[in-house]
Amino acid sequence: KAGVTQTPRYLIKTRGQQVTLSCSPISGHRSVSWYQQTPGQGLQFLFEYFSETQRNKGNFPGRFSGRQFSNSRSEMNVSTLELGDSALYLCASSWGGGDTEAFFGQGTRLTVV
Amino acid sequence: DAKTTQPTSMDCAEGRAANLPCNHSTISGNEYVYWYRQIHSQGPQCIIHGLKNNETNEMASLIITEDRKSSTLILPHATLRDTAVYYCIVRVAGTGRRALTFGSGTRLQVQP
Repeated sequence: KAGVTQTPRYLIKTRGQQVTLSCSPISGHRSVSWYQQTPGQGLQFLFEYFSETQRNKGNFPGRFSGRQFSNSRSEMNVSTLELGDSALYLCASSWGGGDTEAFFGQGTRLTVV
Repeated sequence: DAKTTQPTSMDCAEGRAANLPCNHSTISGNEYVYWYRQIHSQGPQCIIHGLKNNETNEMASLIITEDRKSSTLILPHATLRDTAVYYCIVRVAGTGRRALTFGSGTRLQVQP
């Protein structure tokens, strides 16, 4: 079956702009989590959605937001981009019940100039 | 979730076994040990996980000590494609906690 799909793969934006990233989870998975990876901070949890509701949130400013649709697809939005938002943004999906492994997409590489 | 400690980097000769240690001395009874691997610029991939018994699959073996305070990931015959960062993660079981806490991981370099 198809894996986790993230679009776009690469993105260049200017400071102050906003950006929306998309994640399509594995079919049947209801949980989608987002992570930010930078060389300095490593992999950090942003938020998790389950059945269209945000279930967990990491320690990121309000400029980072997300949502999940009824088909489990998720989007994350970053407003008023800063240079420090340049990172690899990873989406992970899991079916959401019990203790199951998370399946990651290839990520979206965001560069803010 | 319990904190984990891993060596920053390790080298291994191609064809040899790679043994990657992880310390999780504060692990609690309902926490699983997960190993994820991240090949350069790709998303992490779960290799193996376990609760208390040793586990083996087609990719690796996981040895968990009896007191569960440490574990070892074993790649029995390392190849160049195993060069990656390996993350040991301890995570509570059950619903409601989906966040994975990634540490710095171990950068494994497989040498030809």
